[in-house]
Amino acid sequence: GNSVTQMEGPVTLSEEAFLTINCTYTATGYPSLFWYVQYPGEGLQLLLKATKADDKGSNKGFEATYRKETTSFHLEKGSVQVSDSAVYFCALSLYNFNKFYFGSGTKLNVKP
Amino acid sequence: NAGVMQNPRHLVRRRGQEARLRCSPMKGHSHVYWYRQLPEEGLKFMVYLQKENIIDESGMPKERFSAEFPKEGPSILRIQQVVRGDSAAYFCASSPEGRPYEQYFGPGTRLTVT
Repeated sequence: GNSVTQMEGPVTLSEEAFLTINCTYTATGYPSLFWYVQYPGEGLQLLLKATKADDKGSNKGFEATYRKETTSFHLEKGSVQVSDSAVYFCALSLYNFNKFYFGSGTKLNVKP
Repeated sequence: NAGVMQNPRHLVRRRGQEARLRCSPMKGHSHVYWYRQLPEEGLKFMVYLQKENIIDESGMPKERFSAEFPKEGPSILRIQQVVRGDSAAYFCASSPEGRPYEQYFGPGTRLTVT
């Protein structure tokens, strides 16, 4: 089947620390991969995406590389800020993109 | 440009009542998707609609749940005879024509069944 597994949270970091949130997937086909972010009280926002193997998605200092050999799409940021505190969701989509499969989300807390 | 709107944000229903959740897509978007998030779980796809058409309802429970997206007005997710297990956050997303991977999400409706 199709599924996404994320590391459990919450993840608590100090400002300017390095961030990694692990994401692995299983898919019956050749998926596109996404990271979404949800700030408190808001809907999910697309953070970045990658549509084929070895693609790197990047946005707002975050990046993730599509690794087909390890079926992974880990999210990284070199220096987090308090404003990055949110819940991060990894997701995959197949074929016509009409259906997304989401991980359970990882809550990030960044302390000043 | 207003984002995806959902209302109500919070809804409390007693067992056996009906719940109606509304979603207004972003201006110019004609594709709507509904997802459900149970506590401690990820979002799970329920249904994909275009104006007046259900395109994919493979994630909808077979009974008590229905969805529509009329020619005019918001998309409605309707849950009849709610049970405690329906308590969840329900998210709506919309996408522009030709770009289904750009799904813009609303803030969600949190349904609590007492």
